[in-house]
Amino acid sequence: VQLVQSGAEVKKPGASVKVSCEASGYTFITYYMYWVRQAPGQGLEWMGMINPSGGSTNYARRFQGRVTMTRDTSTRTVNMELSSLRSEDTAVYYCARGDCSSTSCRLDHWGQGTPVTVSS
Amino acid sequence: SYVLTQPPSVSVAPGQTATITCGGNNIGSKSVHWYQQKPGQAPVLVVYDDSDRPSGIPQRFSGSNSGNTATLTINKVEAGDEADYYCQVSDTTNYHPVFGTATKVTVL
Repeated sequence: VQLVQSGAEVKKPGASVKVSCEASGYTFITYYMYWVRQAPGQGLEWMGMINPSGGSTNYARRFQGRVTMTRDTSTRTVNMELSSLRSEDTAVYYCARGDCSSTSCRLDHWGQGTPVTVSS
Repeated sequence: SYVLTQPPSVSVAPGQTATITCGGNNIGSKSVHWYQQKPGQAPVLVVYDDSDRPSGIPQRFSGSNSGNTATLTINKVEAGDEADYYCQVSDTTNYHPVFGTATKVTVL
């Protein structure tokens, strides 16, 4: 299993950023894909998830209206777009595969992370 | 929302045992997962479903969960175990992941 993310980004406040995550080594549509971010010196923060099978999404409340997650099954890629960027969005963004049972999901494989810097 | 509380730091001498706790209301009724994150790297799953280990994770890493506290134990600590450790559960209503506040393990 391998998750390879797109490269570092520098954006101005108010802009949007799109981070991609290409999956390989497993059946793409079988596992949810999660997005987690980590601000400098801070902990892990869940942003949302997408079901690659049908494309349904579930976003953390604090990002609703600003985040959009999509997938392309032909390229085995999931994307996360965050709009109306502000300095507080400066963070490393990770995709992670969710291995879920009936009661719990664990994130068993992670991408390498994509640093996003928001600065004027 | 559900809150997971971890001690900010744990210090341990090489060869000794490190114990990291994760507190939550009736956490014993949930499945707890643990991640190791070294500086500049992505997190790595080291224990899942309270006490299972993914392939490739040394047997030195073990977990338990009961009542209001889950525990990650690292036996015979090595310098390479120095990292931040996070616990995680899934919210029972919507399966959203909830992360603990992280514990920094320092090997003396």
